[in-house]
Amino acid sequence: GDSVTQMEGPVTLSEEAFLTINCTYTATGYPSLFWYVQYPGEGLQLLLKATKADDKGSNKGFEATYRKETTSFHLEKGSVQVSDSAVYFCALSSGGSNYKLTFGKGTLLTVNP
Amino acid sequence: EAGVAQSPRYKIIEKRQSVAFWCNPISGHATLYWYQQILGQGPKLLIQFQNNGVVDDSQLPKDRFSAERLKGVDSTLKIQPAKLEDSAVYLCASSTGQGRGYEQYFGPGTRLTVT
Repeated sequence: GDSVTQMEGPVTLSEEAFLTINCTYTATGYPSLFWYVQYPGEGLQLLLKATKADDKGSNKGFEATYRKETTSFHLEKGSVQVSDSAVYFCALSSGGSNYKLTFGKGTLLTVNP
Repeated sequence: EAGVAQSPRYKIIEKRQSVAFWCNPISGHATLYWYQQILGQGPKLLIQFQNNGVVDDSQLPKDRFSAERLKGVDSTLKIQPAKLEDSAVYLCASSTGQGRGYEQYFGPGTRLTVT
């Protein structure tokens, strides 16, 4: 079956530090890949996505590249801000009958000023 | 536009009691999802509706959980009777359709505590 493995947290960084959150996947089909973010007290929001190999998703300074050869979709940001503190979820949708999302366990990021 | 609405936001019940959650998706969204998010884990799909028909309920514990989507709009998820392991956040999401790359929009969730 489908599964997503992402870097365990929590991750604590200082403002303006470089961020990487690793994500690898196993999928039965050709998946679309997503990063969702959950800010404190709020629902999940789509941060970025990529639907085919070598695509780069980007939003709000975050980037992730769909690497089919390494089955990875690592999230990166060059300079984090305090406002980026949240839980980040890697997810995939591999089609089948309903294109359901399969999530990783989430990574808590705390950015200190 | 208004987002996905859920109520209540918090609920505390004793085991063996029943509880119901309500979801109002974004207007015009044909596909509605209910997820269960246990503390420390990612959300897990419980049931997916396309309009008012069930697309996938393979991970719904049907001996105690039920869900319906009346007239293809609002949805309710019920647990009867609740167990301690049902303590979780229940998330509702909706999308315009189902398919490769469709974005799912999530509500704020209902946090259920079973004592």
